Amino acid sequence: KQEVTQIPAALSVPEGENLVLNCSFTDSAIYNLQWFRQDPGKGLTSLLLIQSSQREQTSGRLNASLDKSSGRSTLYIAASQPGDSATYLCAVRPGTGANSKLTFGKGITLSVRP
Amino acid sequence: NAGVTQTPKFQVLKTGQSMTLQCAQDMNHEYMSWYRQDPGMGLRLIHYSVGAGITDQGEVPNGYNVSRSTTEDFPLRLLSAAPSQTSVYFCASSVQDRGTGNTIYFGEGSWLTVV
Repeated sequence: KQEVTQIPAALSVPEGENLVLNCSFTDSAIYNLQWFRQDPGKGLTSLLLIQSSQREQTSGRLNASLDKSSGRSTLYIAASQPGDSATYLCAVRPGTGANSKLTFGKGITLSVRP
Repeated sequence: NAGVTQTPKFQVLKTGQSMTLQCAQDMNHEYMSWYRQDPGMGLRLIHYSVGAGITDQGEVPNGYNVSRSTTEDFPLRLLSAAPSQTSVYFCASSVQDRGTGNTIYFGEGSWLTVV
């Protein structure tokens, strides 16, 4: 059974710092990996989706990388801002490509201090 | 474009009561699903549907029923509410269950408390 781990559970950094959020998974036979953002009291918003054949995806100040063989993904946030404060979750879709088999990590709660 | 809409946002139920959480999407997505999110447990799939008239169980289906009579709507029914069903419920949809680059879209959640 796929397991997705995100450590640490919480992170606090000063504004302007570049930071890396980690996601690890146990079964490397994945279809894709997706990073989400969740604001308090809100649903999940997709940030980046990396197909299994890709190594990284970029959107603005965000860069997500994928190393399938080692079972790891990282979300890099450049020049962090207080508005980046949220919970970040990663989710892995298995090799069958089924959304119904998505496995989520428990998330990293990020706080960016002004 | 409203995306995925859930109602109600908040609900308090007494043990044994029944209720329906509504979910509607306007993106013509075939795939719809319900998750619950609990502290320390992460997101767990309750039920899902790959198209109108087709539903299947997820990881934690007990105590919940679903139906999919239209592409747009996927209601979640709690048959006899229990305190263990106190949670945040999310509806999600995607173009298809399987396929390239299928981003999954989430509603804003329904907070349910069972007393």
